[in-house]
Amino acid sequence: GESVGLHLPTLSVQEGDNSIINCAYSNSASDYFIWYKQESGKGPQFIIDIRSNMDKRQGQRVTVLLNKTVKHLSLQIAATQPGDSAVYFCAEKISGGSYIPTFGRGTSLIVHP
Amino acid sequence: NAGVTQTPKFRVLKTGQSMTLLCAQDMNHEYMYWYRQDPGMGLRLIHYSVGEGTTAKGEVPDGYNVSRLKKQNFLLGLESAAPSQTSVYFCASTRQGYNEQFFGPGTRLTVL
Repeated sequence: GESVGLHLPTLSVQEGDNSIINCAYSNSASDYFIWYKQESGKGPQFIIDIRSNMDKRQGQRVTVLLNKTVKHLSLQIAATQPGDSAVYFCAEKISGGSYIPTFGRGTSLIVHP
Repeated sequence: NAGVTQTPKFRVLKTGQSMTLLCAQDMNHEYMYWYRQDPGMGLRLIHYSVGEGTTAKGEVPDGYNVSRLKKQNFLLGLESAAPSQTSVYFCASTRQGYNEQFFGPGTRLTVL
């Protein structure tokens, strides 16, 4: 089965709220975890990544948290905007080898104005 | 830079027909990938390439073939299309040693 999965297939929030998208993984050997955003009709776009030796990484309006104890990953989006409406995928990757990330099913984020 | 481009954007085939999807990248990336995406599903890897002249099977390779004769191009072929191959196909590329994959806009394929 998939080693990366998401707890919620759909998340609805109000504009201005903070959003939290969760992801579980099962491969403890994964070195990197990556978040992608896919807008309707487009290809996925890289948001942020985090290495397994970190527990937090911040970007512009986004924060990724990694809890290796429970093999859980989350993407927090601050002050969610309508333009954030998209499907968000997490992926895990083992460095070295064949550089193939494993993607989860995705969470649809809907932002209501 | 155009990034990753895919042709065609849309295609309708009849069962048994063949076609080739073209992916091109102008970023000099070493790695290239072909994925398919079905409704409610994540991205499933079909084939990938770690360099010119090399290809390898991914998670769902059956019914597809690929070639990478030039570093910038990665071709995906369907020899005898089946309705189960109706999907959206994405190509991606990555620079060696980096995590960020750059994706193309996708090709929507319908097999009747």
